[in-house]
Amino acid sequence: AQKITQTQPGMFVQEKEAVTLDCTYDTSDPSYGLFWYKQPSSGEMIFLIYQGSYDQQNATEGRYSLNFQKARKSANLVISASQLGDSAMYFCAMREASMEYGNKLVFGAGTILRVKS
Amino acid sequence: EAGVTQFPSHSVIEKGQTVTLRCDPISGHDNLYWYRRVMGKEIKFLLHFVKESKQDESGMPNNRFLAERTGGTYSTLKVQPAELEDSGVYFCASSLLAGGLSGANVLTFGAGSRLTVL
Repeated sequence: AQKITQTQPGMFVQEKEAVTLDCTYDTSDPSYGLFWYKQPSSGEMIFLIYQGSYDQQNATEGRYSLNFQKARKSANLVISASQLGDSAMYFCAMREASMEYGNKLVFGAGTILRVKS
Repeated sequence: EAGVTQFPSHSVIEKGQTVTLRCDPISGHDNLYWYRRVMGKEIKFLLHFVKESKQDESGMPNNRFLAERTGGTYSTLKVQPAELEDSGVYFCASSLLAGGLSGANVLTFGAGSRLTVL
């Protein structure tokens, strides 16, 4: 069965420093996609970054990068130059491609990130 | 472009009452999803609409939950009768496409509807 594990319930980071949020996953499907979402206090889930299992390069989106280590089944999110606005809950999620026509995501428990000034 | 809109943002009801949550997806998104996060647990998939048809409702917990998407536009999720364990945040999401590995099939989520059952 698919499973996403986020082992860090909460993290602190100093403003302008980089932080890594951990995510490990478990799947028997060779084809899958990994997502990170940010949930600020407003409640909305904001898509940050996506990595496909066959992508050769690690995904990057501005200050966000995904450290994808397929053999270790990890997909850590790296946020560079943290800003106060990065304080939020962060969710890692996975979608298997074996579903014929679907978009069912499996989520981790989330990590609360607090950026200190 | 307007995002995914959910209403109400917060609902407080008593056990045994009925609540209806509404979701307006992004215009043109045929795929609409419901997820929920009950206290202390992960966000879980409930169901997936393609237009007005239920593509996958494997995550619906029981028959007290009824989702509809008449006309393939907005969707409602009714809980009747509500139980204490139904408390949580109900998220709606939509996407233009579904399936496969394309990053273009990203789900856009709403802010959620918080349900509190007393």
